[in-house]
Amino acid sequence: DVVMTQSPLSLPVTLGQPASISCRSSQSLVHSDGNTYLTWLQQRPGHSPRRLIYKVSNRDSGVPDRFSGSGSGTDFTLKISRVEAEDVGVYFCMQGTQWPNTFGQGTRLEIK
Amino acid sequence: EVQLVESGGGLVQPGGSLRLSCAASGFSFSTTWMHWVRQAPGEGLVCVSRIESDGRSTTYADSVKGRFTISRDNAKNTLFLHMNSLTAEDTAVYYCARDNHYSVDYWGQGTLVTVSS
Repeated sequence: DVVMTQSPLSLPVTLGQPASISCRSSQSLVHSDGNTYLTWLQQRPGHSPRRLIYKVSNRDSGVPDRFSGSGSGTDFTLKISRVEAEDVGVYFCMQGTQWPNTFGQGTRLEIK
Repeated sequence: EVQLVESGGGLVQPGGSLRLSCAASGFSFSTTWMHWVRQAPGEGLVCVSRIESDGRSTTYADSVKGRFTISRDNAKNTLFLHMNSLTAEDTAVYYCARDNHYSVDYWGQGTLVTVSS
C-alpha cells in the first residue's frame, strides 16, 4: 500500500497568518494515464470530511481561494494564505492513484 | 444537491453482523463508483471498499476481505455494506462517499458501528 505521511501533525496558527501542510507518498502518485491523483480534505470538528483540492491543485467549487495545492511525484503541499477561524479542523491528504486509496494521518490546525 | 445518507449502524457483539445502507440523491448514482470509508474514534480515515457503477467489480481493504461485502441497488439509488465476523477493530464511523475520478468528493454524515460485548 502507498503510505502517506503528513507533517506537521499539529499546526497552531495565528489568525491572518499563512499555514502550510506537507504530504509525502511512499511511491510516485503519477498514474499510468499521466495524472496525479492527490486530494486534500478538510474535516471540521464534528463534521464529515469535505474535499478542498483534487488532482494536486484543482480547487473545488465554493472553496476559498486562500487554499492552494501544489507538488508533484511524491511531494505535495497544501497552503492557506491567511488562516481564518472557520479553517480550524483536521486536514488529510489522500491518494487515489493506487488501490487501496490511502490517507495521511491528518494535520490538526488550531488557532493560537 | 448531492446527498448521501447512511443508516444501519449500532451496537453489535463480537462475531456479529450488520448491514449498512447509504441512500444517494442529487446525482446519477447508477453511473458513479462509490466507496465506504471508516474512521475509528480519534483516528484517521481508511478506505474499506469500492464498487464500480454497475456493481460487477468490487475491491476491499485486506483488513475486511472475506468478511465485508459491498453491493448496490441502482434502481433504488442505494449502496450497501454487509459486515460479518465483526471484531472490536471494526468499531468506527462508516462513511459512504462518492467517487469522482480517483478521488472522493461528497461524503455522507456517517453511521457509527460499535463492536462490543
